[in-house]
Amino acid sequence: GESVGLHLPTLSVQEGDNSIINCAYSNSASDYFIWYKQESGKGPQFIIDIRSNMDKRQGQRVTVLLNKTVKHLSLQIAATQPGDSAVYFCAENDNQGGKLIFGQGTELSVKP
Amino acid sequence: EPEVTQTPSHQVTQMGQEVILRCVPISNHLYFYWYRQILGQKVEFLVSFYNNEISEKSEIFDDQFSVERPDGSNFTLKIRSTKLEDSAMYFCASSSILAGVGEQYFGPGTRLTVT
Repeated sequence: GESVGLHLPTLSVQEGDNSIINCAYSNSASDYFIWYKQESGKGPQFIIDIRSNMDKRQGQRVTVLLNKTVKHLSLQIAATQPGDSAVYFCAENDNQGGKLIFGQGTELSVKP
Repeated sequence: EPEVTQTPSHQVTQMGQEVILRCVPISNHLYFYWYRQILGQKVEFLVSFYNNEISEKSEIFDDQFSVERPDGSNFTLKIRSTKLEDSAMYFCASSSILAGVGEQYFGPGTRLTVT
C-alpha cells in the first residue's frame, strides 16, 4: 500500500557538519515530494520541495535529492547548526488531490 | 509574513463531549486541510476542503468528524463525540493552489486531550 517511511528515527551530528536525512516511499504514482521541519510544540514548517521530473533541487543550505528508480528521497543540510535541531518529515503527494502522506520522521540533534 | 492560526492551543475535554477546533487560514488561500498527529507518531491526513465542500477524506474522518467554513475567514473541525483515541495534535493547513504545485502552510496546532 501507499507509505512513506524513514530509514533512521534519530540522527546526531556535530555543529558544522553536513547532515543527510533519508526517506523511502512506495507509491510510484507520487510526483511531488516535500520536506518539513517540525520543532517541538510547533506545526510542520516547509523546507523544500521537488517534483518527480527533477533529480535535485537546492535551497539555502539544503538540497533535496530524488531517486525515482529506488523510490528514495534525501535531505542534505550543509553546515548544520543548533537551530536545525528538530524532527524532519518527508511527505508525498500523488497529484490526485491535495493530500500529503507523511513519513515517520527523523529527529535531528545537533551537538555544539 | 502571513500565517495560519489555530485556537485554542490546548483543549481538554471529557470523553463523549463535542469539541470544535478553529483555524484561520492564510487569507488568499483556497484549499484547506486538517491533519492530526498522535504523540510520537507521523502526521496523518484527515480531510481536504475546497469551494465549500470536502474534496477528500481519510478513513480516520468518520461520521464523528465534520468541517465547516462558517464565514470568509474561519475553518473549523468538529468532533461530535470525542473518544480517548482522538487525543492528538490537530493541525490546520492551507494552500493557494493544489498540492503538487505549491506548498501547504501549517498552523501551530491544537493539542486535544480527551479524558
